[in-house]
Amino acid sequence: NAGVTQTPKFQVLKTGQSMTLQCAQDMNHNSMYWYRQDPGMGLRLIYYSASEGTTDKGEVPNGYNVSRLNKREFSLRLESAAPSQTSVYFCASSDRTGPNTEAFFGQGTRLTVV
Amino acid sequence: AQTVTQSQPEMSVQEAETVTLSCTYDTSESNYYLFWYKQPPSRQMILVIRQEAYKQQNATENRFSVNFQKAAKSFSLKISDSQLGDTAMYFCAFMKPIYGGSQGNLIFGKGTKLSVKP
Repeated sequence: NAGVTQTPKFQVLKTGQSMTLQCAQDMNHNSMYWYRQDPGMGLRLIYYSASEGTTDKGEVPNGYNVSRLNKREFSLRLESAAPSQTSVYFCASSDRTGPNTEAFFGQGTRLTVV
Repeated sequence: AQTVTQSQPEMSVQEAETVTLSCTYDTSESNYYLFWYKQPPSRQMILVIRQEAYKQQNATENRFSVNFQKAAKSFSLKISDSQLGDTAMYFCAFMKPIYGGSQGNLIFGKGTKLSVKP
């Protein structure tokens, strides 16, 4: 009963380094999302994917790229990390066509860029 | 664009008492979903309760209930018989239904930090 799995849970990067956050869901959901959470800001949408092979920008996409590798996996890449990208990142998935519309979240990744 | 406002950054309540968290939102849509999520110190986002705008009856889940006032665009969460495990950040969230090109993503308020005191 895994739900949404994110890796890693914690990461420290130096400015300019790159990394990829991995996310996988086992609920056969079409839609997947990446959010970032900053103190006092709530969660904000970075990118989303409505289905395999499609991705679109959300509210705060600058500095990020995403890949919807298949129906299960949706990764978020930071090409050149900046201190402003220090945040907690959440992956989520949902069945947008179902009667019980609900988003399921991963456990989050705390990323620190120094 | 839709916005969600939580006007109480922090609240506290004594164990076993009742507390109400406020949320207002702005939208021109007639049908939508509203949610309350709980985020304990573990960081996990946990769905507490969901309300569909076309349903007039307020949603309830055990000790959690909402007061949904559609005309006023208000969606408050009432926690009865507060327990120490209710200590968490609570987020109100809005979602448009999928028809009409909605992304299906959640729009969150900034959160209310609730502390339950023994």
